[in-house]
Amino acid sequence: GQNIDQPTEMTATEGAIVQINCTYQTSGFNGLFWYQQHAGEAPTFLSYNVLDGLEEKGRFSSFLSRSKGYSYLLLKELQMKDSASYLCAPMDSNYQLIWGAGTKLIIKP
Amino acid sequence: DTAVSQTPKYLVTQMGNDKSIKCEQNLGHDTMYWYKQDSKKFLKIMFSYNNKELIINETVPNRFSPKSPDKAHLNLHINSLELGDSAVYFCASSQDWSGVTDTQYFGPGTRLTVL
Repeated sequence: GQNIDQPTEMTATEGAIVQINCTYQTSGFNGLFWYQQHAGEAPTFLSYNVLDGLEEKGRFSSFLSRSKGYSYLLLKELQMKDSASYLCAPMDSNYQLIWGAGTKLIIKP
Repeated sequence: DTAVSQTPKYLVTQMGNDKSIKCEQNLGHDTMYWYKQDSKKFLKIMFSYNNKELIINETVPNRFSPKSPDKAHLNLHINSLELGDSAVYFCASSQDWSGVTDTQYFGPGTRLTVL
């Protein structure tokens, strides 16, 4: 079956760095997306990885290891507005996104 | 300019009623989706249309019927609403569905509460 595993909740301090891990099992693989979802709002796109390695985009970076079925999202210089849920979503062989329940990130001053 | 819009934003109704949720995108995308996000926050794909044609139809009760009058619109009609239908319904669109880099853009969501 298809499965996504992310921590349910994480807490970090403003200004610090946090890494949100995601392991996945899908039928085929066509890349992996990370989305951010603030409470009561729609998910918004953060990153896409299809090749192994690290993709950096400002304060956010995303890493992929296809052989390990593993990805992480790295957030640097955390700000209070980064408090949100972070959704890992690999794309299967049918180009369908498989969504996890997300990781709720709480930022403390 | 709103890229993907949904109406209504909130919908409260009684069990057994029939209701519709509308979705429109002005991005010129070919593909549109309906997702259900339940209280546990899982996003589940319900339907996907590419150029007005149904391409994904997950195991969803046939009380749910999507309608795509043109590729900019994908409406969701729900018959005989049940308590378990209470959730947030998100519409999304992407440029295509077979392109691996097709980012999905989400509407603001419709919070449906069935009493």
